Amino acid sequence: AQSVAQPEDQVNVAEGNPLTVKCTYSVSGNPYLFWYVQYPNRGLQFLLKYITGDNLVKGSYGFEAEFNKSQTSFHLKKPSALVSDSALYFCAVRLPSGSSNTGKLIFGQGTTLQVKP
Amino acid sequence: KAGVTQTPRYLIKTRGQQVTLSCSPISGHRSVSWYQQTPGQGLQFLFEYFSETQRNKGNFPGRFSGRQFSNSRSEMNVSTLELGDSALYLCASSLDGGPTYEQYFGPGTRLTVT
Repeated sequence: AQSVAQPEDQVNVAEGNPLTVKCTYSVSGNPYLFWYVQYPNRGLQFLLKYITGDNLVKGSYGFEAEFNKSQTSFHLKKPSALVSDSALYFCAVRLPSGSSNTGKLIFGQGTTLQVKP
Repeated sequence: KAGVTQTPRYLIKTRGQQVTLSCSPISGHRSVSWYQQTPGQGLQFLFEYFSETQRNKGNFPGRFSGRQFSNSRSEMNVSTLELGDSALYLCASSLDGGPTYEQYFGPGTRLTVT
């Protein structure tokens, strides 16, 4: 079965320190990978995506993510965390065209990021 | 451009009733997907519509249905509500249904079933 795992329910970092939010996936074929962020009482906001090409992708608000095919991982990173980055982060995967589940986003369970001043 | 809008933002219904939620996608977007978000199950895919056709469906009972209109606006309906249907229902739109396109989410409709 296709799945996405975010092994940490919560990540705590101090402001100014680098942050990493982990994501691994288990799907057949070459998936397309996404990160979204959700602030309280808000919908999800798109951060970045990996489709093909360079394994390091840059996104909104200074976030970046590294795709590692051999480890089936897509970890979200930021060099210097801000208190305002505190939110719920979701990793998601979509399957390539031709799959019966092409339109479906499969989400991880989410990781709460807490950045302390 | 205006973002994805969902109405109503909050709903309280009783068991056995039915409910209709509405979603207006970003102008020009033709694909609309619906997701259910609960603390226990996380984010789960309900269905996707593209050009008024349901293209994909998640593992939800037949009480959950949807449709898309010619202007790409979408509605989802839940009949015979159960307590377990209490959730945040999120609508997302994308330019087309291709898997490389990111989806843009609305703020959600918070449904409480009592």
